[in-house]
Amino acid sequence: EDQVTQSPEALRLQEGESSSLNCSYTVSGLRGLFWYRQDPGKGPEFLFTLYSAGEEKEKERLKATLTKKESFLHITAPKPEDSATYLCAVQPSGGSYIPTFGRGTSLIVHP
Amino acid sequence: GAVVSQHPSWVICKSGTSVKIECRSLDFQATTMFWYRQFPKQSLMLMATSNEGSKATYEQGVEKDKFLINHASLTLSTLTVTSAHPEDSSFYICSAHRLANSYEQYFGPGTRLTVT
Repeated sequence: EDQVTQSPEALRLQEGESSSLNCSYTVSGLRGLFWYRQDPGKGPEFLFTLYSAGEEKEKERLKATLTKKESFLHITAPKPEDSATYLCAVQPSGGSYIPTFGRGTSLIVHP
Repeated sequence: GAVVSQHPSWVICKSGTSVKIECRSLDFQATTMFWYRQFPKQSLMLMATSNEGSKATYEQGVEKDKFLINHASLTLSTLTVTSAHPEDSSFYICSAHRLANSYEQYFGPGTRLTVT
């Protein structure tokens, strides 16, 4: 059974204080790992897809990295507007397109 | 871009009535759409997978006669909550999977359903 564990569950940062969110996964074969951002009362917003170990992607203050067992979402010099819940999901290889989601990390950035 | 819309964004209905929620992929074709339910401060719970032109596949524990899903075209899927009860009150979110060259899912903005 595919599993995704995100840590920490909640993270409070001061503006400008860089940190990382972790997504550990077990899957029989990885087709892709996804990061989403979700604001309260809204649907998740797609951020990144990572396909293979060693891959990195960046968008503004966010950088996602991938190893064979986990992914990190690095947040550099965060701003209050980065406050949100960040969701990680893995899609197994094979015929199904159903991803498995983690429970998310709730990030609050204080000014 | 990859934009998914949902309508309505929020709805209040009386117990015993039915409510239809629409999910549309606006600028791409979606062979597969997913319907999720989300409770406050919890992650997404997959309800069903909807493929264009075929019957939806429901997750264990989801009543298919209560949550009717129709995927009539490559850009539209609907979820009908039949005979709604207060326990059906929740945040419902759809997502659409793009065709070829991508495995990403793009989510709609969600529909807040309140059953009184």
